[in-house]
Amino acid sequence: DTGVSQDPRHKITKRGQNVTFRCDPISEHNRLYWYRQTLGQGPEFLTYFQNEAQLEKSRLLSDRFSAERPKGSFSTLEIQRTEQGDSAMYLCASSFFVGSSGGAETQYFGPGTRLLVL
Amino acid sequence: AQSVTQPDIHITVSEGASLELRCNYSYGATPYLFWYVQSPGQGLQLLLKYFSGDTLVQGIKGFEAEFKRSQSSFNLRKPSVHWSDAAEYFCAGHSGGYQKVTFGIGTKLQVIP
Repeated sequence: DTGVSQDPRHKITKRGQNVTFRCDPISEHNRLYWYRQTLGQGPEFLTYFQNEAQLEKSRLLSDRFSAERPKGSFSTLEIQRTEQGDSAMYLCASSFFVGSSGGAETQYFGPGTRLLVL
Repeated sequence: AQSVTQPDIHITVSEGASLELRCNYSYGATPYLFWYVQSPGQGLQLLLKYFSGDTLVQGIKGFEAEFKRSQSSFNLRKPSVHWSDAAEYFCAGHSGGYQKVTFGIGTKLQVIP
């Protein structure tokens, strides 16, 4: 098991460009989360999937953001028309959730993708 | 709102000294609590977690944490800090089911020789 991987690790783009990030979760994990982390803050929840279904989206996720997990395995997060305020670390996490456990899930994080919008 | 609070943004300790990082939670039900560590430019690594049972939980790298319901706390401790422990530490929690995890603001640990 290689853990959660994210690609790319770093991305520099110009304002107005579109960017796409990829996350590969731990195999057989059914939940996948995206977070955004800015300097000096803890991770902030953006959205999560259970299998291929996107179950919740934060109000932080504006219309310019879209996430997919088409086959219930890897996920992509796309930001359209990037703004300087989008500069942050984007973290992905995965977990194996079993409803009968009462929600005792543990999220495992990837190394993150650091985005800089110039 | 359900959350965790880390009252100390920055802590400095001498190498070899003991460490305690504070975390307070506010959840109606018994929470699921976690401590993660983040080195600069890296993702978060899970140190330990509390779900139920024994209120003193052991984690990796010699860390432990104690769940105290009466104080709504889940403080992280280590008896002797090493220079490699310098990092940022995040307390996180959720109240089970389909509730999402919320993170504290983080405590940055500096270790001096």
